[in-house]
Amino acid sequence: KQEVTQIPAALSVPEGENLVLNCSFTDSAIYNLQWFRQDPGKGLTSLLLIQSSQREQTSGRLNASLDKSSGRSTLYIAASQPGDSATYLCAVRGNSGGSNYKLTFGKGTLLTVNP
Amino acid sequence: NAGVTQTPKFQVLKTGQSMTLQCAQDMNHEYMSWYRQDPGMGLRLIHYSVGAGITDQGEVPNGYNVSRSTTEDFPLRLLSAAPSQTSVYFCASSYWSDSLVDTQYFGPGTRLTVL
Repeated sequence: KQEVTQIPAALSVPEGENLVLNCSFTDSAIYNLQWFRQDPGKGLTSLLLIQSSQREQTSGRLNASLDKSSGRSTLYIAASQPGDSATYLCAVRGNSGGSNYKLTFGKGTLLTVNP
Repeated sequence: NAGVTQTPKFQVLKTGQSMTLQCAQDMNHEYMSWYRQDPGMGLRLIHYSVGAGITDQGEVPNGYNVSRSTTEDFPLRLLSAAPSQTSVYFCASSYWSDSLVDTQYFGPGTRLTVL
């Protein structure tokens, strides 16, 4: 059974700092990995999706990397802003048997960026 | 496009009552799914569908029924509500063909309380 772990569970940083969020998964047979953002009381918004054959994806100040063999992904946020404050979730889509259509989520990292 | 819509946004039920959570998408996505989000548990998959007439169970299907009569709609039915079903419910959709990037799009959620 796939398990996804996100460390740290919470992170508080001053505005302008560069930061890294970590995601690890136990089964390397994945189809893709996706990073989401969730604001309080809201749904999830997709930030970046990395296919299993890719090493990284970039969007603006965000960069996500994937090391499938070691079961790790990182989300790098450059020059953080108070508007980046949210919970960040990592999810992997399986690539074996009946798990092909299922996303397994981590529990998220709660990020607070202080002005 | 409206994206993924969910109704109602809030609902309070008494134990034993039944109700249907509605989910609709206008992006012609084949894949639709229901998740529940609970504190400390993360997002857990309830049921999913890869097309009209096709549904399957996720990680926590007990107490929930689904059907998929059209591509656009994927309702979730609670036949006899229990306090353990108090949660926030999210519907999501995506393409699922290997040839397309399957970014998941989430609805805004339904907050359900069962007394």
